[in-house]
Amino acid sequence: DVKVTQSSRYLVKRTGEKVFLECVQDMDHENMFWYRQDPGLGLRLIYFSYDVKMKEKGDIPEGYSVSREKKERFSLILESASTNQTSMYLCASSWGDVYGYTFGSGTRLTVV
Amino acid sequence: RKEVEQDPGPFNVPEGATVAFNCTYSNSASQSFFWYRQDCRKEPKLLMSVYSSGNEDGRFTAQLNRASQYISLLIRDSKLSDSATYLCVVNGGTTDSWGKFQFGAGTQVVVTP
Repeated sequence: DVKVTQSSRYLVKRTGEKVFLECVQDMDHENMFWYRQDPGLGLRLIYFSYDVKMKEKGDIPEGYSVSREKKERFSLILESASTNQTSMYLCASSWGDVYGYTFGSGTRLTVV
Repeated sequence: RKEVEQDPGPFNVPEGATVAFNCTYSNSASQSFFWYRQDCRKEPKLLMSVYSSGNEDGRFTAQLNRASQYISLLIRDSKLSDSATYLCVVNGGTTDSWGKFQFGAGTQVVVTP
């Protein structure tokens, strides 16, 4: 069964901490994405990557960075966590336009 | 105007009834369309792709209307377990958006006993 795995289901971090969210896919997909989802705002794209060491800003990149050192792994970094970054974070991967996204199970991050 | 728009609902549906809802998209170059299902506090999961000729998967039927730029989802004989939010997903339709998709905000369906 193909999978996108996010390292944590729930995280609680303190304001100002540096936070790493990890995502690994085993489908050999070129494309990987990080979204956040908040009630009433839907899914918003933070960053995405079409290849190793490549990254592109999404719609809301402020306060975040990413790393893609290997094809299967895409990390989201919150440089200095703030309470307004409390959210559900979803990682997804895709191959082309034909098959859609496969999502990880999400990380529910609370910043206190 | 949002690129993908959905009626947020909720659609309250008696068990056993039929419910249908649409999603409109603004990019005429879009070629790939999907319906995803999302349960509360869970990740979205692919329900079905939407093909030009329309397609059916059990109690679920998806249609595409290119002329009017919308897709639809119909659920027959609704079950309590169909209660979820249904997300419309559309591709960007250009080479620089290959593999990247746009999401609607979701339509909530609540099936009642």
